[in-house]
Amino acid sequence: QSALTQPRSVSGSPGQSVTVSCTGTSSDVGGYNYVSWYQQHPGKAPKVILYDVTKRPSGVPDRFSGSKSGDTASLTISGLQAEDEADYYCCSYAGSYSWVFGGGTKLTVL
Amino acid sequence: EVQLVESGGGSVQPGGSLRLSCAASGFTFSYYPMNWVRQAPGRGLEWISYISTSSTNIFYADSVRGRFTVSRDNAKNSFYLQMNSLRAEDTAVYYCARDQDWNLIYWGQGTPVTVSS
Repeated sequence: QSALTQPRSVSGSPGQSVTVSCTGTSSDVGGYNYVSWYQQHPGKAPKVILYDVTKRPSGVPDRFSGSKSGDTASLTISGLQAEDEADYYCCSYAGSYSWVFGGGTKLTVL
Repeated sequence: EVQLVESGGGSVQPGGSLRLSCAASGFTFSYYPMNWVRQAPGRGLEWISYISTSSTNIFYADSVRGRFTVSRDNAKNSFYLQMNSLRAEDTAVYYCARDQDWNLIYWGQGTPVTVSS
């Protein structure tokens, strides 16, 4: 499968909101509600911040929210904080026991 | 607490082999399918393999099919990735990840693999 499409970078000032999009096809994002989002700081392993499109694991602040419309999923981070600066990846189940990731988005907190 | 610990990474010449391991703890390992995901230097994440709870269903990404073999030992709470015919483009950090209802929720810290002459 082809990688999901994410913007290479987004930025925002502390306190603002930013949205990261993740566009796939009807075979992945559009076909399943199994979209997850990961935050990765430099040199660290990815950490899940959303799964099943909108669900937050325990301990993830409610500043992180997710949505999906058609073949595009979105991650919104509200009330930006300095520690939110990281790379963000989306991931979707793509059927037949396979998964596909987005290319990643670098979030800069100005 | 769910813990996944990868090991076995290292440096190898093109054409060589490596066997990665992932040791699981903090949950009933035999209940969950497992996956391998890799990340090349400066690049994004790539799913490469899935194994079901009883090893009945095994799937690979096109990029590794025929060269990599995944297996698991539920008695040892471990699963493995045998990597043969390694290429420079296989250089990456390899992560094991636990499948939970079609989401990759828990990840290990990763083990680096470098393929270079």
